Amino acid sequence: NAGVTQTPKFRVLKTGQSMTLLCAQDMNHEYMYWYRQDPGMGLRLIHYSVGEGTTAKGEVPDGYNVSRLKKQNFLLGLESAAPSQTSVYFCASSYSLAGNRGWEQFFGPGTRLTVL
Amino acid sequence: AQRVTQPEKLLSVFKGAPVELKCNYSYSGSPELFWYVQYSRQRLQLLLRHISRESIKGFTADLNKGETSFHLKKPFAQEEDSAMYYCALRGGDRDDKIIFGKGTRLHILP
Repeated sequence: NAGVTQTPKFRVLKTGQSMTLLCAQDMNHEYMYWYRQDPGMGLRLIHYSVGEGTTAKGEVPDGYNVSRLKKQNFLLGLESAAPSQTSVYFCASSYSLAGNRGWEQFFGPGTRLTVL
Repeated sequence: AQRVTQPEKLLSVFKGAPVELKCNYSYSGSPELFWYVQYSRQRLQLLLRHISRESIKGFTADLNKGETSFHLKKPFAQEEDSAMYYCALRGGDRDDKIIFGKGTRLHILP
């Protein structure tokens, strides 16, 4: 099992460019999440999905869009990148809740994005 | 509103000394609390959760509902404990996401 993987690992963009970050998981998890990690700010939830074809906004959704066309993939898009979006992006996945007392999120290795 | 507060950005402790990483939360119901750890250049991984009442790598954390705290403790720090530690909260059985604190960087001094 690869667990949660993210593509690419690093990317440098110019202001105004667009890109898509790919997250894939092979654990058959229902839920998937995108976070950004910034110094002094911790992890902040951007968007998440509780199942194929569904998405929801998190704490900092502006400037990002997501899609969950397949259960195993969760895409994060930046339509017009801004320097404020320079960050490390983490994807995570988890089983659904349903009283699962062993619930936890599994994280990917991160994507380091710099917007010039 | 749900909130997780980690008051220390950086905590420096000598090897062999006790460690306590503070976490306070704000939630009106019965939350589920977690500690995640991120070693240098690695992904976040779950360290422990309060419902398991377990000890992982010598760390323990007790949920104190009266003080709304979930402090992480270890009696004797080791150099390999140097990492970023995040406290996180899930607000009950029907909540499908967790909220993270801003993290505390633990630096173990030789």
